[in-house]
Amino acid sequence: QKEVEQNSGPLSVPEGAIASLNCTYSDRGSQSFFWYRQYSGKSPELIMSIYSNGDKEDGRFTAQLNKASQYVSLLIRDSQPSDSATYLCAPGGGKLIFGTGTRLQVFP
Amino acid sequence: DAMVIQNPRYQVTQFGKPVTLSCSQTLNHNVMYWYQQKSSQAPKLLFHYYDKDFNNEADTPDNFQSRRPNTSFCFLDIRSPGLGDAAMYLCATQTGGGNTEAFFGQGTRLTVV
Repeated sequence: QKEVEQNSGPLSVPEGAIASLNCTYSDRGSQSFFWYRQYSGKSPELIMSIYSNGDKEDGRFTAQLNKASQYVSLLIRDSQPSDSATYLCAPGGGKLIFGTGTRLQVFP
Repeated sequence: DAMVIQNPRYQVTQFGKPVTLSCSQTLNHNVMYWYQQKSSQAPKLLFHYYDKDFNNEADTPDNFQSRRPNTSFCFLDIRSPGLGDAAMYLCATQTGGGNTEAFFGQGTRLTVV
């Protein structure tokens, strides 16, 4: 059974700061990871996927994967109030199981 | 164009009265999921289909059942809803293997009175 741990937050950062979201997982066989964003009352949507060790950048978002440490993170640069949402980590492979989610609040 | 459609968006049912939620997809994905999400919690997987193969999570209550008559449609049946079953129910689809993006419907908000 996959287990995925995230700090539930809320993580509060000021506008323009870097938000750092972390995720640890138990399944050493996981080869890919996904970050989904969920606004209040809405469905999750994919914002980042990462398949290999190291960093992957997409605009203001950077995902970092360390398979040896079973750790994946998401950095959001120049955080905006519109980034305020819950961020869900999900290992790939097999069924889609989410971590507990981290609620991010970006204040002006 | 919506690719995963859930109906209805809002459902009010009486305590103990069976209710069915539906999900349809135009993506032709072979994997379909049902999640339950309560306030301030992450989506909790209830079951999923890989093609017609049904996979139940160990902690999914027996009160919850599902049907997938064809690739495009999937149903969630709650036989005797209790107050604790009030939640958002999310349907999602994905291609097999689990290493691709999952697409979600808009969800059905279930209220039990």
